[in-house]
Amino acid sequence: KAGVTQTPRYLIKTRGQQVTLSCSPISGHRSVSWYQQTPGQGLQFLFEYFSETQRNKGNFPGRFSGRQFSNSRSEMNVSTLELGDSALYLCASSLGTAGKAFFGQGTRLTVV
Amino acid sequence: GENVEQHPSTLSVQEGDSAVIKCTYSDSASNYFPWYKQELGKGPQLIIDIRSNVGEKKDQRIAVTLNKTAKHFSLHITETQPEDSAVYFCAASIQGGSTLGRLYFGRGTQLTVWP
Repeated sequence: KAGVTQTPRYLIKTRGQQVTLSCSPISGHRSVSWYQQTPGQGLQFLFEYFSETQRNKGNFPGRFSGRQFSNSRSEMNVSTLELGDSALYLCASSLGTAGKAFFGQGTRLTVV
Repeated sequence: GENVEQHPSTLSVQEGDSAVIKCTYSDSASNYFPWYKQELGKGPQLIIDIRSNVGEKKDQRIAVTLNKTAKHFSLHITETQPEDSAVYFCAASIQGGSTLGRLYFGRGTQLTVWP
């Protein structure tokens, strides 16, 4: 069974630009969560989607948004990029009901 | 919200020795406690988890213990091997209903196993 797939693996963007990251969950998983990982703040929760609905949101500004499609694939978008947005963005999927979370390899975003 | 503290931040052991990583949590409603291993350039890999109705769980060389009263849980790795070298994260979550629940992570422990 294929794992969680995140694309692209690496991105370099300029301040002020926007970016879209993609996550394909494990087949059959309906819940997708996003996390930001930085050396300074560690792993921080961004949001969780289940059945195309955002069920939970972390303490990030409105520049961070996401969505989930009917096939459970998810995208997150960051607008007006800032240098501090440079991080590893991780997606996790689970069956959804008290399930285990499995992470993808992440997308390394660098903002210059 | 939940606050998870993890110690130590770095741990060096000789191959074959045991390693113990400890975490505490603040929210008594947390009922699910996974542990992840992250190797360089990879995403976190779930290695073991425990729910609040269980005090201990073991999987080969890895075991996790949970003390709900004291609000702490620990990861034990026995007979360590160089390939166990990685960053280990503990996490806590309130699970219920149809969603996974937000995972609150500790800051991680860099484990180095010397041959």
